[in-house]
Amino acid sequence: EDKVVQSPLSLVVHEGDTVTLNCSYEVTNFRSLLWYKQEKKAPTFLFMLTSSGIEKKSGRLSSILDKKELFSILNITATQTGDSAIYLCAVEDFGNEKLTFGTGTRLTIIP
Amino acid sequence: EAQVTQNPRYLITVTGKKLTVTCSQNMNHEYMSWYRQDPGLGLRQIYYSMNVEVTDKGDVPEGYKVSRKEKRNFPLILESPSPNQTSLYFCASSFLGRDGQYFGPGTRLTVT
Repeated sequence: EDKVVQSPLSLVVHEGDTVTLNCSYEVTNFRSLLWYKQEKKAPTFLFMLTSSGIEKKSGRLSSILDKKELFSILNITATQTGDSAIYLCAVEDFGNEKLTFGTGTRLTIIP
Repeated sequence: EAQVTQNPRYLITVTGKKLTVTCSQNMNHEYMSWYRQDPGLGLRQIYYSMNVEVTDKGDVPEGYKVSRKEKRNFPLILESPSPNQTSLYFCASSFLGRDGQYFGPGTRLTVT
């Protein structure tokens, strides 16, 4: 059974800090790992990672995948209050595109 | 505007009364999926569909049915809802093998 574990469960930091969110996974046939941001509504897509060691970057957010150690990290630099959200990690199973989500990391940015 | 729509957005119903939550997307996506989100359990996949007339069970399919008669629509049917199906439901869609899924706005269902 596919499994995704995210840590920490919750994180509170001050505006301007840098944070690192972790995601470890077990999946039978790995296709991709995805990161989503969920505020008080539907999750919105951030990154899709398929290859080890290649960083994906979007503004202050970046993410990297390690397929040997089966984990990914999501970094957010110079955090802002608008970054407060639940960050979800998911893995996709090859062939059926089945997605398994972790329970998320709740990030709170204090002004 | 590219979007996934769900209806209704909020629903309170009673045990055993059949209901349908509709999902529609206007992006010509092949893949559609239903999730439920519960505190402490995260998003769990109920059913998914890789194309018209092709559906498969996710992790928590018990008590739910789906159909995919048209590419744009993927309704979720609860034949006999029970209180343990009280949850926040999301529909999502994507092109096969491409970046991320687009999520609908969610349907908050309460079964009493």
